[in-house]
Amino acid sequence: AQSVAQPEDQVNVAEGNPLTVKCTYSVSGNPYLFWYVQYPNRGLQFLLKYITGDNLVKGSYGFEAEFNKSQTSFHLKKPSALVSDSALYFCAVRIGGSQGNLIFGKGTKLSVKP
Amino acid sequence: DAGITQSPRHKVTETGTPVTLRCHQTENHRYMYWYRQDPGHGLRLIHYSYGVKDTDKGEVSDGYSVSRSKTEDFLLTLESATSSQTSVYFCAISDGWETDTQYFGPGTRLTVL
Repeated sequence: AQSVAQPEDQVNVAEGNPLTVKCTYSVSGNPYLFWYVQYPNRGLQFLLKYITGDNLVKGSYGFEAEFNKSQTSFHLKKPSALVSDSALYFCAVRIGGSQGNLIFGKGTKLSVKP
Repeated sequence: DAGITQSPRHKVTETGTPVTLRCHQTENHRYMYWYRQDPGHGLRLIHYSYGVKDTDKGEVSDGYSVSRSKTEDFLLTLESATSSQTSVYFCAISDGWETDTQYFGPGTRLTVL
C-alpha cells in the first residue's frame, strides 16, 4: 500500500536559519509528489510539486524540495526561515498511471522563532 | 482560495440528523473532491467526482454520500451524523487527474454532539 511519512510532528527553527521539513514515501509506481501549507483556520495552499525532470523543484515563497528516488524522499527546504513561515506543512503523493488518490502525510508543524 | 467556496463554514448538529455541505467552484474544473482533516491523520479522501453525475468512493466513504448535478457544485451529505464525523471538511478541485494540482477551499468545521 502506498503511504507518506512525515517523521517529525514539529520542527523548530530560528528566524534566518535554514529549514527542512522531511517527507518520505512508499509507492509501487512512479510518484507524483506535492507540498502544501496550511495557516491557522485556512485551507491548504499549494507550494510545489514534482512530476518529472529536474530533481530540485522550486515553489512559492522561496521554498524548494528535492526528489531523491534512491532514498524515497521529498524534503521541503528554505534557505532562510521567516516567522511568517510558521504553519502546518503537508506532503502528499499520487501514483502515476492509475486513478490513485492523493495520499497525505500527517503534517508537520513548523515554528519559526524571532 | 482559487475560486472555491464552502458553505456553511461552521455547523453544530446533533447525532442522527442529516447534514449537507456544499462546495461551489467558479473555475470550471472537471474534478472535485471531499476530504476530512483530523489531528494525527492528515487529510483523507471521502469521495471524488470526475464529471457531472460521475462520482466514486475514497478512503473513508462510509456514512457519506455525494452528488454533482452541475459542474460547479459538489454536495457532501451525512445521512445520519455521528460524533465520529466531527471534523473539518475540505473541498478541492483540479482540472486534470494525475499530475494536476488540487486547490483547496477554506473548509467547513462540523461538530456533531
